[in-house]
Formats: sequence, structure tokens, C-alpha cells
Amino acid sequence: GDSVTQMEGPVTLSEEAFLTINCTYTATGYPSLFWYVQYPGEGLQLLLKATKADDKGSNKGFEATYRKETTSFHLEKGSVQVSDSAVYFCALSNNNDMRFGAGTRLTVKP
Amino acid sequence: NAGVTQTPKFQVLKTGQSMTLQCAQDMNHEYMSWYRQDPGMGLRLIHYSVGAGITDQGEVPNGYNVSRSTTEDFPLRLLSAAPSQTSVYFCASSYQGMRETQYFGPGTRLLVL
Repeated sequence: GDSVTQMEGPVTLSEEAFLTINCTYTATGYPSLFWYVQYPGEGLQLLLKATKADDKGSNKGFEATYRKETTSFHLEKGSVQVSDSAVYFCALSNNNDMRFGAGTRLTVKP
Repeated sequence: NAGVTQTPKFQVLKTGQSMTLQCAQDMNHEYMSWYRQDPGMGLRLIHYSVGAGITDQGEVPNGYNVSRSTTEDFPLRLLSAAPSQTSVYFCASSYQGMRETQYFGPGTRLLVL
């Protein structure tokens, strides 16, 4: 079946550091790819998405590019803030199925 | 708009008890789904519905029932709770399907003793 593998955490960065969270997937066909973010005590919120190869999703300074050749959808941000501290989930949707990665906890210190 | 609401926020059950987790959305979304979130495993799809009267199984449906009598509501029933069902449960909805943005409720934390 389809699956998502993402970089294990936790990740701790200083404010203004560069962030990369790796995500790779296994799927048949042409899945849509997502990054969701979960702040403490809350449900997940969509951060960005891409629906076809070479699409770049972006939001709030975060970016990820759908790379079919490497089956990857890595999340990047050039300069993180304390307010970015959260758990980040990579996910794919394919044929009425949704699969999430295990989540990566990010802590940004001032 | 309230978005996606879930009740209760927290529940403790004894093994063998039954209960219903409530989920409602006021966005007129056709698609609704239930997930469970366990440490180190991300979210796993339990059941989903593409519209009133239509439901289907996800990745981990055993021990759970759902029904969709209205567009707004999508309750999840635990028939006979087991300690393995201790988890955080999230309901989500989207306009038409999984490939679109899903809006998540705040979650229900369930402890089965």
C-alpha cells in the first residue's frame, strides 16, 4: 500500500535558522501531497499542498516541491521563528485513501 | 462558522463499554472522515464518507462503526472499547474529497482502561 516516510524528530533550531524536513513517499499513480501542521492542543491545519509533479506549494514562508523522480516532498523554510514550533506531518492522498507520516516535532528557540 | 466541532474533548471508558464520538461541520462539506492519532504513527484513517448515506472503510476500521444520515454530522461509534483504542481521534471534512484541503476538528482524547 501507499506510505509516507518523514524525517524523525525532534528538531531543535535557533530562530532565523534554515529548516528542512525530509519526506518521501511510495504510491501508485499520481497522489496529491500535503504538509499539515499541528500546534499544541489543536487539530491539524493545512500548511501547503501540491497536486502534480513539479508543483511547488508555498505558504507563510514554507515551501515544498513535488518531485516524482525522487518521490519526495521536502519541507523548507529559510528563516524559522519561535511561532513555527509545532508538529509537521507529511501526507498523501490517492484513490480515496489518505496516508500520513509519523510527524516531526520542531522546536525553535529564541 | 464554527468549522468542525467534536464532542467530548476527553473521555475515559472501561473495557467493553460502548460510546459515540460526535462530529459536526457547518461548511456544507460533502466529504468527512475519522482518524486516530497514536504516538510515532501519525494519523490513520478509520472511516470516511463522500456524502449523506455513503460510508466506507479506511486503513483501520475494525472495532468502529459510522453512519452519515445528514451532511453535517458524522458520528463514530465504538462498539466494545478495548485498551488498544486508547488514542486521540480527529474528525475532518473537505468540500469534495481527500485531494482537497481537509479541515480538522480539535480532537477527542479517549482512554480505555
